[in-house]
Amino acid sequence: EAGVVQSPRYKIIEKKQPVAFWCNPISGHNTLYWYLQNLGQGPELLIRYENEEAVDDSQLPKDRFSAERLKGVDSTLKIQPAELGDSAVYLCASSFATGGDLGEQFFGPGTRLTVL
Amino acid sequence: SQQGEEDPQALSIQEGENATMNCSYKTSINNLQWYRQNSGRGLVHLILIRSNEREKHSGRLRVTLDTSKKSSSLLITASRAADTASYFCATDAFRDDKIIFGKGTRLHILP
Repeated sequence: EAGVVQSPRYKIIEKKQPVAFWCNPISGHNTLYWYLQNLGQGPELLIRYENEEAVDDSQLPKDRFSAERLKGVDSTLKIQPAELGDSAVYLCASSFATGGDLGEQFFGPGTRLTVL
Repeated sequence: SQQGEEDPQALSIQEGENATMNCSYKTSINNLQWYRQNSGRGLVHLILIRSNEREKHSGRLRVTLDTSKKSSSLLITASRAADTASYFCATDAFRDDKIIFGKGTRLHILP
C-alpha cells in the first residue's frame, strides 16, 4: 500500500513569489492534515479536513495561505506571497477518523521550503 | 500553542541501555500518541494509548499514561543505533478535538 505522497520534496523560491504543495493521502482516509514544522520543533497544525470540509483552520494564516481538498482526496496548500519566515518543512498526514477519534496519522515525507 | 511537553529535550545513551522519555500535557485528552522522526524524514506512528488505558506495549516499546498527573512516558528497551531519532508525543484533546504535538526529545544512541 502506498503511503502519503507529497510533492515537491524541496522548493526554493524568492520572497513574494507564490508556491504550492500537493498531497495525496492514503486511499480510504477521510481526514487530511497540513502541518508546518520548524527546525527542532514539533509539527504545528495548519488545517484539518474531514472529507472535503475544512473542520479546523484556526491556525492557518489566511491572509497568505490557502488550501483546498477537491473531491475529498488530494489536497493543495498554497502560499501567496511567500515571506522569509515561511521557510520550514510542510508535512501532510492522513488518518481514518471515526466517531470523534482522529486515530493514527500517517505522514508524508514533507516539502522543505526555502524562501530567499 | 503546544500542549505536549517532552522531557528531556535531548538524551544520549549507550547502545543496549533503556531510554525513557516523558510527556506532560494540560487538558483532558481522548488519547495520546507517540511518533518517531528520523532526520529529514516524515513522522512514523509508534503507539496510541487511550485515556482509559494505563499501559501499552509494542515490541521494545512500553508506554504508560497517568491521566491524574496528565503525563505519559515512552520506554525503549535494549536500545539500538537505529533508534536514534526525535520522538514526539501528540495529544488528541477531548474538548476541542485537536491534535497537538510537543517539541520532541532528540534521542542519540551511542555505539
